[in-house]
Amino acid sequence: QVQLQESGPGLVKPSGTLSLTCAVSGGSISSSNWWSWIRQPPGKGLEWIGEIYHSGSTNYNPSLKSRVTISVDKSKNQFSLKLSSVTAADTAVYYCARNSEQQLVMRDWGQGTLVTVSS
Amino acid sequence: EIVMTQSPATLSVSPGERATLSCRASQSVSSNLAWYQQKPGQAPRLLIYGASTRATGIPARFSGSGSGTEFTLTISSLQSEDFAVYYCQQYNNWPPRVTFGQGTRLEIK
Repeated sequence: QVQLQESGPGLVKPSGTLSLTCAVSGGSISSSNWWSWIRQPPGKGLEWIGEIYHSGSTNYNPSLKSRVTISVDKSKNQFSLKLSSVTAADTAVYYCARNSEQQLVMRDWGQGTLVTVSS
Repeated sequence: EIVMTQSPATLSVSPGERATLSCRASQSVSSNLAWYQQKPGQAPRLLIYGASTRATGIPARFSGSGSGTEFTLTISSLQSEDFAVYYCQQYNNWPPRVTFGQGTRLEIK
């Protein structure tokens, strides 16, 4: 069974760059799945950030596209998220997930990691 | 952007009874609709995709229906572990777009 684990700083300063990594175990990131990042502000709903395939192809939420970069490291079986020019509005629990093979739904999720944007 | 609207915001139901949750899309999403369950402090769990297909390991008491703009998640006989927040999600495979509803909180009556 695939397991996902997010890691990265829990505190980022305003105007800085948020950087997170998702380690994949129990399966290969080079499988025929896309891999997503999703976030959830405290007490609020879910927002899809974007996805990546092991080839490096990406798709982003248009509302975040100018600030987001998702990359993959096949040698480490992990993928990463960078979000630039952060503000307090980017404070959220960030989840990584494995998509279903043929549809853009998130079938397996990491436990999530809280990132707070504050000086 | 397609807007997903869930109703009601909070639903109070007694254990053993049926719960019906609604999700409406601002324009047709065909059958590209999923449902997730989220418990406090946990990640969401995929329940339903393709509007009506249960994900692996999801009990048969969970069922989804609808197409186009109107969708329903039904839990036929509520168990204690079913009280949670439920989100609907529309997806478009090309161009890839995902939006979630604001959630329905299912609470014990």
